[in-house]
Amino acid sequence: DIQMTQSPSSLSASVGDRVTITCRASQSIRSYLNWYQQKPGKAPKLLIYAASSLQGGVPSGFSGSGSGTEFTLTISSLQPEDFATYYCQQSYSTPRTFGQGTKVEIQ
Amino acid sequence: EVQLVESGGGLVKPGGSLRLSCAASGFTFSNAWMNWVRQAPGKGLEWVGRIKRKTDGGTTDYAAPVKGRFTISRDDSKNTLDLQMNSLTTEDTALYYCTTDSYTTMGTSYYYYMDVWGKGTTVTVSS
Repeated sequence: DIQMTQSPSSLSASVGDRVTITCRASQSIRSYLNWYQQKPGKAPKLLIYAASSLQGGVPSGFSGSGSGTEFTLTISSLQPEDFATYYCQQSYSTPRTFGQGTKVEIQ
Repeated sequence: EVQLVESGGGLVKPGGSLRLSCAASGFTFSNAWMNWVRQAPGKGLEWVGRIKRKTDGGTTDYAAPVKGRFTISRDDSKNTLDLQMNSLTTEDTALYYCTTDSYTTMGTSYYYYMDVWGKGTTVTVSS
């Protein structure tokens, strides 16, 4: 199975900060990488698919990059509604696997 | 409106069984690959399994912890997805989501992602 490891597990940031979350795969997954945002008590929401494609309706302040084994999710200017937990997920093979999540908290 | 609504969750004793359902609307369900994903209390997301559409064979794949105990099925005439869970343990306690498994093609590659999620249904396994 492909292991997905996110870093950091949590971070504190302020509104307006640039935030970067890293996701590493245990083997190459090319660009088969998705990012999700989950707010407390809510279902996850797709942000980015295929490593860098922005899902419709997602603010342009979110961006994804990377290929192979290392990927990043960047929030260019953190907004109050962006405080949430973020997960990466590989779709290269089954079983589909998620990272453990990165919780973005208000500093 | 594209929507997925899970039902069937509840309290069950270890060793028991439960059947979850997911009602789909607002899209052509028979064309969709579908997943079940779960989230234990305070934990991250865990993929449970997937079923392909019938024109792609209707085959299923499962995560190791549930293989042989859980069965995913679909009824395209009713637009429903089911998850039959047997031999439940306390480790299966979680919020269970159904999701679509949509894709985009870029060149010859198919990029899959979970773009529609239900609100989930809670399964608690406890004596």
